Amino acid sequence: IAGITQAPTSQILAAGRRMTLRCTQDMRHNAMYWYRQDLGLGLRLIHYSNTAGTTGKGEVPDGYSVSRANTDDFPLTLASAVPSQTSVYFCASSDGDYGELFFGEGSRLTVL
Amino acid sequence: GQNIDQPTEMTATEGAIVQINCTYQTSGFNGLFWYQQHAGEAPTFLSYNVLDGLEEKGRFSSFLSRSKGYSYLLLKELQMKDSASYLCAFPDSNYQLIWGAGTKLIIKP
Repeated sequence: IAGITQAPTSQILAAGRRMTLRCTQDMRHNAMYWYRQDLGLGLRLIHYSNTAGTTGKGEVPDGYSVSRANTDDFPLTLASAVPSQTSVYFCASSDGDYGELFFGEGSRLTVL
Repeated sequence: GQNIDQPTEMTATEGAIVQINCTYQTSGFNGLFWYQQHAGEAPTFLSYNVLDGLEEKGRFSSFLSRSKGYSYLLLKELQMKDSASYLCAFPDSNYQLIWGAGTKLIIKP
């Protein structure tokens, strides 16, 4: 059972480039999330999707976009990367409003 | 407003007991979560408290006092593998989790 798979696990990117972080889950969870985690700060929600076909903005959505064409996939796109987007990105899913979150292994992104 | 606070770092000795505190403020309470995160890894779920009191799960227990806006995670018989960050979080009115910055627990032999 894979759970949640993220790709790539690590990436170095030049500023101004476009980048898509992929996230796939096989648990048939309705809700999916993208967080970023930076040293000294808690996990911050970028975007979320409560069900396929819908998305919502989290705490720090600027510079990021998402889509949810089906239940399993929830890609995160940086249209034009900036150095402040250097971070570890976690995709997560849950089954229900107060359900336990299941996280992917994370994608470490460095923007130079 | 909403906020959540926990100590940045704690040190404890192998075999001992440690209590990690978390205080929060929210207008509508819908439970409090604890997650464990080892360095370089993803967070994993430990507990979810909705009602006041202590819930025990093996060596780990979680306590909640809704009136005081306070929770703690109690770890007994500490093992070296318990060295990790411990994150508390609560759902906001849109069911999205508000996270503390995490408490880094260092276990010494």
